[in-house]
Amino acid sequence: DAGVTQSPTHLIKTRGQQVTLRCSPKSGHDTVSWYQQALGQGPQFIFQYYEEEERQRGNFPDRFSGHQFPNYSSELNVNALLLGDSALYLCASSPTRGYNSPLHFGNGTRLTVT
Amino acid sequence: QQQVKQSPQSLIVQKGGISIINCAYENTAFDYFPWYQQFPGKGPALLIAIRPDVSEKKEGRFTISFNKSAKQFSLHIMDSQPGDSATYFCAAVGYIPTFGRGTSLIVHP
Repeated sequence: DAGVTQSPTHLIKTRGQQVTLRCSPKSGHDTVSWYQQALGQGPQFIFQYYEEEERQRGNFPDRFSGHQFPNYSSELNVNALLLGDSALYLCASSPTRGYNSPLHFGNGTRLTVT
Repeated sequence: QQQVKQSPQSLIVQKGGISIINCAYENTAFDYFPWYQQFPGKGPALLIAIRPDVSEKKEGRFTISFNKSAKQFSLHIMDSQPGDSATYFCAAVGYIPTFGRGTSLIVHP
């Protein structure tokens, strides 16, 4: 049973470009959340998707957007990249959208903006 | 604004010792407190979690102690092993999850 899978593993982009990161949730999970983890910091909540709609959002600008597909997989899009967007982007899935539903994280996509 | 303060930033213990990591929160709306373990190159993995209606929860060598009035909770790792060497994150969940900054634990053999 595959866990949460993310692609690509690593990515290098230039300031001002746009990037799309992808996530497949753990089998049986219908809720996907995205987190940004800067070096030496804890994960910061970006947003949560359930039933193909954004349900909750953290303190991130509109440059960060997402999508969830009917098969529950998800994409994170970041426009007009800034140097400060360099981080590990983590996708987490959960069996329900309840606040205490256990999160299962992927291994992340390391994004470097130069 | 950091809503969950985690300490210490790093911790070194000897094999067999007790590792203690502390977290404090401010928002009383938090209602679920998980701990995650993260190894290099991996995503965080849920270790143990507690609700505020209990003061302690134990799973194997891992124990969470929770003090609702002080708005503090801690992770105790008994009989620490070199394989426990990792970064540990506390989190507090209400409307959205808020993570601490992490504690890097090194257990010397």
